[in-house]
Amino acid sequence: EIVMTQSPATLSVSPGERATLSCRASQSVNSNLAWYQQKPGQAPRLLIYGASTRATGIPVRFSGSGSGTEFTLTISSLQSEDFAVYYCQQYNNWLTFGGGTKVEIK
Amino acid sequence: EVQLVESGGGLVQPGGSLRLSCAASGFTFSSYSMNWVRQAPGKGLEWVSYISSSSGTISYADSVKGRFTISRDNAKNSLYLQMNSLRDEDTAVYYCARRGTHGTTDLWGQGTLVTVSS
Repeated sequence: EIVMTQSPATLSVSPGERATLSCRASQSVNSNLAWYQQKPGQAPRLLIYGASTRATGIPVRFSGSGSGTEFTLTISSLQSEDFAVYYCQQYNNWLTFGGGTKVEIK
Repeated sequence: EVQLVESGGGLVQPGGSLRLSCAASGFTFSSYSMNWVRQAPGKGLEWVSYISSSSGTISYADSVKGRFTISRDNAKNSLYLQMNSLRDEDTAVYYCARRGTHGTTDLWGQGTLVTVSS
């Protein structure tokens, strides 16, 4: 099983600031990496797939990078609606998820 | 509208059984592989099971292998998860999720809560 590790567990950021979230895979997943946003009581929402391609309707302030085992999600200027939990997911070998990063208001 | 709607959750005793359903609409269900993903209260996401579009390929997480059975009825645009020998640790919100053309889960239902407790 491919283990996905996200850091940090919690990120405190002020509105308008940049947020950088990390995700590491225990073995290469090529570019088969997705990022999701989840708000309380809601299903996860796909943000990024293929490590760097924004899903339909996702604002340009969300960007993804990386390949192999190291990946990053960057939110360039945090808006109030961006405070949520973010998960990375590898889909190179079935599916596994990281433990999540909670982005909270500083 | 393109959507997935889960149903069938509820309270069940340890050792009991439950069958979850997921109704698809707004897209050609028979063309897509599907997954079940769960989330324990306050915890992260855990993949549970996968079924290909024709049911030819099925896979399970080790945590549910031998206890859960995934199936689908393309004529009814429906996905199912039969859960037997339920344990406390199976308590979670269960989501059905479509495997999109890019390989990842691009469409999720709203989830159905399964509570295993005596």
